[in-house]
Amino acid sequence: QSVLTQPPSVSGTPGQRVTISCSGSSSNIGNNYVYWYRQLPGTAPKLLIFRNDQRPSGVPDRFSASKSVTSASLAISGLRSEDEADYHCASWDDSLSGPVFGGGTKLTVL
Amino acid sequence: EVQLVESGGGLVRPGGSLRLSCAASGFTFSSYSMNWVRQAPGKGLEWVSSISSTSDHIYYADSVKGRFTISRDNGNNSLFLQMDSLRAEDTALYYCARDPVSGSNVYWGQGILVTVSS
Repeated sequence: QSVLTQPPSVSGTPGQRVTISCSGSSSNIGNNYVYWYRQLPGTAPKLLIFRNDQRPSGVPDRFSASKSVTSASLAISGLRSEDEADYHCASWDDSLSGPVFGGGTKLTVL
Repeated sequence: EVQLVESGGGLVRPGGSLRLSCAASGFTFSSYSMNWVRQAPGKGLEWVSSISSTSDHIYYADSVKGRFTISRDNGNNSLFLQMDSLRAEDTALYYCARDPVSGSNVYWGQGILVTVSS
């Protein structure tokens, strides 16, 4: 059971906008930044969003994120087939003194 | 270029031990805390352990506390994870990671597979 809660899967058609939710608690999301990672099969996670809503250079503005109290969400607009991947949310947890992650959400582009 | 390269994985029987290593290069290893994060087959990411830059602060997930020991050798830019009393549920891809939730400069190794099975 992951500390952060994400839906196991989401899907959308090309061009659509999809959102992925991430729910935590006051010891993690409620008091710390949220990070989002994208992971392709057989590869290490790659940073997609840092500090709640910031995009690293090279990440298109089709990807956006927000945080509210103890939850966060990732939005992907103008969905493309290459967006198919697993998406993980993450945050620091003050009680554990370590990072915590969601269970991952598999995005399928229909 | 920052590189993190894990080694030491493999197949081990339940109750056995394994020592993972992570060779770091491309940055001042001694200035950063480091982490081990694992991913069981088909599952999400799970933090395992963290160690501060000078090894004075060490933390473990409850699932491995008392069985795993994290350590580092700043002189040789290396991170280690000694895994004892291994269980089937420890089967996972183990990643060495720098700053996974700290700013934009995050780095992960390619991962090393640990399989615990009889």
